[in-house]
Amino acid sequence: AQSVTQPDIHITVSEGASLELRCNYSYGATPYLFWYVQSPGQGLQLLLKYFSGDTLVQGIKGFEAEFKRSQSSFNLRKPSVHWSDAAEYFCAVNNAGNMLTFGGGTRLMVKP
Amino acid sequence: DVKVTQSSRYLVKRTGEKVFLECVQDMDHENMFWYRQDPGLGLRLIYFSYDVKMKEKGDIPEGYSVSREKKERFSLILESASTNQTSMYLCASSPLAGRPDTQYFGPGTRLTVL
Repeated sequence: AQSVTQPDIHITVSEGASLELRCNYSYGATPYLFWYVQSPGQGLQLLLKYFSGDTLVQGIKGFEAEFKRSQSSFNLRKPSVHWSDAAEYFCAVNNAGNMLTFGGGTRLMVKP
Repeated sequence: DVKVTQSSRYLVKRTGEKVFLECVQDMDHENMFWYRQDPGLGLRLIYFSYDVKMKEKGDIPEGYSVSREKKERFSLILESASTNQTSMYLCASSPLAGRPDTQYFGPGTRLTVL
């Protein structure tokens, strides 16, 4: 069965610092990978996705992620964090057909 | 823009009540999904539907049923609500059946069962 692990439940960074959120997946076939963000009281918004091609994908709000097949990872990065980036971030993998399997989420806090 | 709406943002019900959560999408998407979200567990799929009147069980269907009578509307039903169903419920939709694609989410319904 497929699974997604986000090892960090909480992360705190200072505003302007760089950010990396980790995501590891377990899935036998070529994965379709997603990062979503959830601001307080809101639904999930897609940040970026990887289906094929270039393993470094760019998303909205200055985020990027790199697919590394050898490490079964899809880590999310941002070079300079803004206070408005404080939210919960979810990594997800698409299994057969339509269904997504989500990681447990990483809550990001930003210090001024 | 795709819009997914859910009938209530907050809902408080009593144990044993029948609860309906409604979801509507306005982009003619084939797939619709119901998830529950609990701290530390991420989102877990309850049911999804790939067509009118069609449904598939997700990872945690016990205690829930669904209905999809029209393409744009997908309802989650708790036949007899229990306290362990207190959670955030998120609805989502995606364009085409059988194809991996972005899922678009509604704002969520926070259900409390007393």
